[in-house]
Amino acid sequence: AQSVTQLDSQVPVFEEAPVELRCNYSSSVSVYLFWYVQYPNQGLQLLLKYLSGSTLVKGINGFEAEFNKSQTSFHLRKPSVHKSDTAEYFCAVNSGGSNYKLTFGKGTLLTVNP
Amino acid sequence: DAGVTQSPTHLIKTRGQQVTLRCSPKSGHDTVSWYQQALGQGPQFIFQYYEEEERQRGNFPDRFSGHQFPNYSSELNVNALLLGDSALYLCASSSPTGLLEETQYFGPGTRLLVL
Repeated sequence: AQSVTQLDSQVPVFEEAPVELRCNYSSSVSVYLFWYVQYPNQGLQLLLKYLSGSTLVKGINGFEAEFNKSQTSFHLRKPSVHKSDTAEYFCAVNSGGSNYKLTFGKGTLLTVNP
Repeated sequence: DAGVTQSPTHLIKTRGQQVTLRCSPKSGHDTVSWYQQALGQGPQFIFQYYEEEERQRGNFPDRFSGHQFPNYSSELNVNALLLGDSALYLCASSSPTGLLEETQYFGPGTRLLVL
């Protein structure tokens, strides 16, 4: 079975400050990892993904994440946030093979204050 | 290039009624998955369709059923609606090509309110 834990339900930060949103997963097999962003009253937009290769992945809007297999983590970072980054962020895992579903964490609400 | 589209955007039903939600996948994608997102929660996997058949199902009762058409579009049907079925229903599509199959792209969702 696969599961995802997002350690912070809410993260408030000031504009231009750095931010890290934490995600830990559990799976008995190799995984594919994703971060999605959801703006109010909208669907999910893919921010970035780890499928294979380099453990540091870069996504849209200046976000990046690092896959750490030993710590089973996939934390999302941005060096300087903007007010427009205010949204809900979801980490998701898919263990592939004959398992096709994405398992999501409960989300982290990032609020960027002026 | 159109992304994943869903209709309707909003829907209000009463308990006991039936509802059908529709999804068109992104161009070039042949696999469609459905998720339910309750308020304040992450999306929960309902099922996935590939080659017009249900390939995998999550922990949802038989009241939730689906269909995929030859053009890869899909429907989600929910019978005997309960108040707890009120949620945002998200459709996601993915490509059949290698590792790209693992990446799911989401539509804007259909918000269902059951009164």
